[in-house]
Amino acid sequence: GENVEQHPSTLSVQEGDSAVIKCTYSDSASNYFPWYKQELGKGPQLIIDIRSNVGEKKDQRIAVTLNKTAKHFSLHITETQPEDSAVYFCASGGGADGLTFGKGTHLIIQP
Amino acid sequence: NAGVTQTPKFRILKIGQSMTLQCTQDMNHNYMYWYRQDPGMGLKLIYYSVGAGITDKGEVPNGYNVSRSTTEDFPLRLELAAPSQTSVYFCASSLGGGAGYTFGSGTRLTVV
Repeated sequence: GENVEQHPSTLSVQEGDSAVIKCTYSDSASNYFPWYKQELGKGPQLIIDIRSNVGEKKDQRIAVTLNKTAKHFSLHITETQPEDSAVYFCASGGGADGLTFGKGTHLIIQP
Repeated sequence: NAGVTQTPKFRILKIGQSMTLQCTQDMNHNYMYWYRQDPGMGLKLIYYSVGAGITDKGEVPNGYNVSRSTTEDFPLRLELAAPSQTSVYFCASSLGGGAGYTFGSGTRLTVV
């Protein structure tokens, strides 16, 4: 089955700096790569996603890049703010049998 | 729209007891999923359904059962609770396999 590796497990950045979280996947048939943000005590929330026919997608301060050849994709957050502190999950899939998630990155924004 | 609603939010079970975790969605999504989340382990797929009357096993189905009699509801059943089932359970729904999920707020289950 699909295997998704996510790094780092914890990331601490100064407010205003950029944060980058990286994921690799194993199944070359995967064609959908979403990112979720989970705040304490809540369910994960979709923040951005990308499909295999696109190399990059941006939404305000958040961007995702995809390299299908290397089977890796990354989340970029610019001008980080305190409300960006959360756990972020990458995922891979696209078939009917659900998404495979990475183990998560705890992002800490230092004031 | 309420989205995906899970009940209960918290539950403590004794070993060997049974319970049903409820999940309902009002977005007319055909696809529904149950995941469990353990600290530092991400989310693991337990069962999924692509439509009413159709269910299939995910990565960690042992000890669980599901049913999908309607598009809206996808309950998860634990028959003989074990300490290894202590976890946070999330239900999710989507329009299709390659579409974003909407998650419920989770059920925190402790088996003692």
